[in-house]
Amino acid sequence: NAGVTQTPKFRILKIGQSMTLQCTQDMNHNYMYWYRQDPGMGLKLIYYSVGAGITDKGEVPNGYNVSRSTTEDFPLRLELAAPSQTSVYFCASSPSPLHEQYFGPGTRLTVT
Amino acid sequence: GIQVEQSPPDLILQEGANSTLRCNFSDSVNNLQWFHQNPWGQLINLFYIPSGTKQNGRLSATTVATERYSLLYISSSQTTDSGVYFCAVVASGTYKYIFGTGTRLKVLA
Repeated sequence: NAGVTQTPKFRILKIGQSMTLQCTQDMNHNYMYWYRQDPGMGLKLIYYSVGAGITDKGEVPNGYNVSRSTTEDFPLRLELAAPSQTSVYFCASSPSPLHEQYFGPGTRLTVT
Repeated sequence: GIQVEQSPPDLILQEGANSTLRCNFSDSVNNLQWFHQNPWGQLINLFYIPSGTKQNGRLSATTVATERYSLLYISSSQTTDSGVYFCAVVASGTYKYIFGTGTRLKVLA
């Protein structure tokens, strides 16, 4: 039981490039979340999903897209990377909003 | 939307000291969690505590949902307790976790 896994661990992008951050969970959780954490700050919700095929915006969705075709996977897409997207990205999952959420190890992204 | 504030923002302790961290929230919640983010950035679940009191070793937490606050107690602190402590809540009627501003703790040997 690996929990929540994220790839890659680190990535450097040039301005305007695109990439997909991968997130997979093996706990059969319906709810999945993407957060970003800027240096010295708390976590802000980017997007979340309540089940396969259903996604919704969080606090800071601009510049990102998500999809949820399976229960296990919740990829986050950056289409045109900007320096403001330099951050650490965390994926999390939970059985429901009334249960605790479990976090992946994070992806550290730098856009230069 | 709901506001989540934590205090104090920074805390320095000598090893062996006790401390209390506070999380205030501005609206009713269905869920509240405490996390420890260690110096390597890893987020560790401490407590799932929408109400009541829980204890786990040297750590305990109390949430008084009707008064909209939660407390995290750390007793006999150790250097490995250093890091940032976050509370996160789910406001009633929503699915979204909102994180607090965090308390940065440094425990000195």
